[in-house]
Amino acid sequence: KAGVTQTPRYLIKTRGQQVTLSCSPISGHRSVSWYQQTPGQGLQFLFEYFSETQRNKGNFPGRFSGRQFSNSRSEMNVSTLELGDSALYLCASSSEDSQETQYFGPGTRLLVL
Amino acid sequence: DQQVKQNSPSLSVQEGRISILNCDYTNSMFDYFLWYKKYPAEGPTFLISISSIKDKNEDGRFTVFLNKSAKHLSLHIVPSQPGDSAVYFCAASAGDFGNEKLTFGTGTRLTIIP
Repeated sequence: KAGVTQTPRYLIKTRGQQVTLSCSPISGHRSVSWYQQTPGQGLQFLFEYFSETQRNKGNFPGRFSGRQFSNSRSEMNVSTLELGDSALYLCASSSEDSQETQYFGPGTRLLVL
Repeated sequence: DQQVKQNSPSLSVQEGRISILNCDYTNSMFDYFLWYKKYPAEGPTFLISISSIKDKNEDGRFTVFLNKSAKHLSLHIVPSQPGDSAVYFCAASAGDFGNEKLTFGTGTRLTIIP
């Protein structure tokens, strides 16, 4: 089985712009979670989607949003980018019968200038 | 290819006993290892770490052991408490933490039985 894939791998944006990141889960996995990883804050949970519905949400401002499509692929959008949004964004997928086992993608490294 | 592996998806331990969570890695470039703990509906939180120049790091009830030749690390929790019930992720990086991407294992669900 192919693993979790994320595109793009690297991205450079400027303040005020918006960005959309994509995640394709492992085939058959319906749950997709997004995390932000920064040196100072470590790994922080953004949100989780299951069957096209947001199931859980972390403590991030409304500029961070996401969605999930019927094929379980997920996108994350950040609007009005700030310098502090520079981070590695990780996506993880899990299957219904083993929801606690998360498979992480390689991440998208976002740099905001 | 899973470079960091946690081969036990779940583990149950009696309260007061020792919990041992295991992690294996394949990339010999990894030189920094971390354990994260995750409660349902929350993101993982950092627990303890170890650099490859050490073979043991202790923090209260938590001790991480690193065996570089076997590419294996383990997390010991003594004594185990009900609040320790969570999913534990092992992670590794090649380079200074924060500058290099962490590679995570798939997690082990620990259940402490009262």
